[in-house]
Amino acid sequence: EIVLTQSPGTLSLSPGERATLSCRASQSVSSSNLVWYQQKPGQAPRLLIYGASSRATGIPDRFSGSGSGTDFTLTISRLEPEDFAVYYCQQYGSSPWTFGQGTKVEVK
Amino acid sequence: EVQLVESGGGLVKPGGSLRLSCAASGFTFSSYSMNWVRQAPGKGLEWVSSISSSSSYIYYADSVKGRFTISRDNAKKSLYLQMNSLRAEDTAVYYCARDSEMYCSGDCYGDYWGQGTLVTVSS
Repeated sequence: EIVLTQSPGTLSLSPGERATLSCRASQSVSSSNLVWYQQKPGQAPRLLIYGASSRATGIPDRFSGSGSGTDFTLTISRLEPEDFAVYYCQQYGSSPWTFGQGTKVEVK
Repeated sequence: EVQLVESGGGLVKPGGSLRLSCAASGFTFSSYSMNWVRQAPGKGLEWVSSISSSSSYIYYADSVKGRFTISRDNAKKSLYLQMNSLRAEDTAVYYCARDSEMYCSGDCYGDYWGQGTLVTVSS
C-alpha cells in the first residue's frame, strides 16, 4: 500500500501568514488522486482539495493544492483564525485508501 | 443536503461485539459506494471497509478482516458495520463516508462524512 508522509508535524504560524504543508508518497499516486482534509477537534474531516489541485465546493480560494507523482503541497495563502486545525492528505488512486499522519497548524 | 448520521457506538469489553449504523439522507443512497474510516483517540485516520452500491464488492483493511462485516440496506438508506472479537486497538471514532461519484469503480474519495460514533473497547 502507498504510505503518505506529511511534514512538518506541527506548523506554528500567526494569522495572516502563509502556510505550506507537504505530503510525500512512497510511490507515485496515479492520476494525482490525492485529497486534502481539514479536521477540527470533535469534528469530522472536511474535504478541501481533490484531484491534488481542485477546490471542493465552498472552499475559499486561499486554499490551494499542487503537486503530482510523489510530492504534493497544500498552501493556505493567508491564515484566518478558523484555519487553525489538523490537515490530512489521502490518496485514492490505489487500494486501499491511505492517509498521512496529519499536520497541525497552530497559533504561534 | 447530504447527511450521514452514525450511531451504535459505546463501551464494550474485549472480545465483545457491536453493530454500528449510518443513516443517510439527501442523496440517492443506492447509487453510491460507502466506506467506514476510523480514528483512534489523538491519532490519524485509518480506512476500515468499503462496500459498493449493490453490495457486490466488499473490501476490508487487514486489521479487521475476519472480525468486521460491512453491509447495507438500500431500502432503509443505511450502512452497517458489525464488529466482532473487538480488541483494545479497535477503540476509535468510526466515521461513515460517501464515495465522491455514483457507481464508482475506483478513484473515488470520501466527499461527505458523518460526525462519527465512538467505540471504546475496555474491560
